[in-house]
Amino acid sequence: DAGVIQSPRHEVTEMGQEVTLRCKPISGHNSLFWYRQTMMRGLELLIYFNNNVPIDDSGMPEDRFSAKMPNASFSTLKIQPSEPRDSAVYFCASSLQASPQYFGPGTRLLVL
Amino acid sequence: AQTVTQSQPEMSVQEAETVTLSCTYDTSESDYYLFWYKQPPSRQMILVIRQEAYKQQNATENRFSVNFQKAAKSFSLKISDSQLGDAAMYFCASEGGGSNYKLTFGKGTLLTVNP
Repeated sequence: DAGVIQSPRHEVTEMGQEVTLRCKPISGHNSLFWYRQTMMRGLELLIYFNNNVPIDDSGMPEDRFSAKMPNASFSTLKIQPSEPRDSAVYFCASSLQASPQYFGPGTRLLVL
Repeated sequence: AQTVTQSQPEMSVQEAETVTLSCTYDTSESDYYLFWYKQPPSRQMILVIRQEAYKQQNATENRFSVNFQKAAKSFSLKISDSQLGDAAMYFCASEGGGSNYKLTFGKGTLLTVNP
């Protein structure tokens, strides 16, 4: 299995620009998670989907962040407009029900 | 709400020796899971070991084992015969169980392995 795939691996953008992060979960997994990792706040859950439906988005920082899962094999996390404080590593993870969550390699975002 | 506390920001161990990383947690759930993840410099989050709270037997994966003390809400990770490749940040995490799949992470422990 290819594991969780994320793209891009690195993203550098300027403040105010739109950023879209992409994730392909492990085939057959029905839960998908977006996490953000920063030095100050550690690893935080932003949102998670079960069977393509958003279940808990309480971690989404503000309206500038949005996430979609149009089908079982693809999800996006969008930031519009981006701000320097959004700079972080964003992880996508997937799982099958209560099985462990398997993480992608992460996207390192730098907003200038 | 769940909380996870790792009280050791950094630990070091000599190659081939044994080290134990500490973790305590708090949860109101009766059915939950506990995990240790490893994050090497590549930033990849790698699952090390998982423990189901309803199982009394401590989980083991090769050189990695846990000491799960449910009443004390303690979940420590023991690494035996430490290798240079074990050097990484280690995160303890809890999952609510049932239909609550959210992972709550501790702040991490940075493990250094000395040759």
